[in-house]
Amino acid sequence: DADVTQTPRNRITKTGKRIMLECSQTKGHDRMYWYRQDPGLGLRLIYYSFDVKDINKGEISDGYSVSRQAQAKFSLSLESAIPNQTALYFCATSDFRSSYNEQFFGPGTRLTVL
Amino acid sequence: DQQVKQNSPSLSVQEGRISILNCDYTNSMFDYFLWYKKYPAEGPTFLISISSIKDKNEDGRFTVFLNKSAKHLSLHIVPSQPGDSAVYFCFFNNAGNMLTFGGGTRLMVKP
Repeated sequence: DADVTQTPRNRITKTGKRIMLECSQTKGHDRMYWYRQDPGLGLRLIYYSFDVKDINKGEISDGYSVSRQAQAKFSLSLESAIPNQTALYFCATSDFRSSYNEQFFGPGTRLTVL
Repeated sequence: DQQVKQNSPSLSVQEGRISILNCDYTNSMFDYFLWYKKYPAEGPTFLISISSIKDKNEDGRFTVFLNKSAKHLSLHIVPSQPGDSAVYFCFFNNAGNMLTFGGGTRLMVKP
């Protein structure tokens, strides 16, 4: 079974709709992250959380919000989706004891906003 | 302004030869440097890492080199195998929670 799971794996929605992407992990890690990937731009950090009561903005947080419901769950919301939010979204986790901050990624969610 | 750049979007190499992937960076505050590999329809997976106090780290066919004066990170794969065909990302971070990925290089290893 996968250690980091994301649901849904694919989603097509319309402009203006509210969308939630969910991430769950069984690795017992305290740190969780949301990234988006666009062609040629690598992965860019949207939000991250170092524990249940900690939420931090990343490089591109505008238009997104997050909720850390439990240590194992971290969800990403698009309150009013727009076409330029069409991208591949990845959730990741890491262990605070890792000085390298090695991250473990989920399989990704492909989101298309029409 | 991108702090980390992978200037080659793609690289094609013959099986058995060396693959060299490169990253250049501008910020001297990074402490740790990692390489990730990504196959289609999967999330990135960790490959190898190096800290800023070292200039080389080796793991089997994979060697990472760090040139701090040139602000240059490279990954060498020797010998390259068709299963190495993937997108490779460099990832930089520090204790101040600066987390930055490069744009990726698609490696194709031809049999």
